Amino acid sequence: GAGVSQSPSNKVTEKGKDVELRCDPISGHTALYWYRQRLGQGLEFLIYFQGNSAPDKSGLPSDRFSAERTGESVSTLTIQRTQQEDSAVYLCASSYREGEQFFGPGTRLTVL
Amino acid sequence: GQSLEQPSEVTAVEGAIVQINCTYQTSGFYGLSWYQQHDGGAPTFLSYNALDGLEETGRFSSFLSRSDSYGYLLLQELQMKDSASYFCAVSAGRRALTFGSGTRLQVQP
Repeated sequence: GAGVSQSPSNKVTEKGKDVELRCDPISGHTALYWYRQRLGQGLEFLIYFQGNSAPDKSGLPSDRFSAERTGESVSTLTIQRTQQEDSAVYLCASSYREGEQFFGPGTRLTVL
Repeated sequence: GQSLEQPSEVTAVEGAIVQINCTYQTSGFYGLSWYQQHDGGAPTFLSYNALDGLEETGRFSSFLSRSDSYGYLLLQELQMKDSASYFCAVSAGRRALTFGSGTRLQVQP
């Protein structure tokens, strides 16, 4: 497709389980970002990938969160031992120029 | 670090003009972006200002004053479909954006 895609669209899990979220960026976009958005809140930066450079992990809230990206394609965000406060929408975006990011539809994560 | 301030809510009527202000504090600054987000949807890009002045794109315009660390989004000829949340975001060089908490715009008939 032409846009950023994410899967799953919804994920319900039990506290303590691990989850893996996937993002397919727009082809040719070298930059990829993960954000978290809690209900009624703004977007919270998590991690940024730029080409083959080391990722900027400064936004990851704890060591339970990790992310990988294969080259300039798919990225996965993994949350280990999920907690209820991890419940949020996780948004992925890709970009090819400053200031303009293209967002996927998000994954709504609910931790019971 | 970066911080941004924008009003939490704005209400206006169809056909009117509304201005959403954004002030920011940042240790580095490349530009100010604006995004629109409808309930349950993903943010969509509206504009990016790297230089001082006004940028116009159809009914939407965005303004930046770097010396005042201030910008605004101007929406003209408001339509019901413009009801959404609007986020300003600063770019500080690493291209990850720092977002404000959003302004919820409600357009009334």
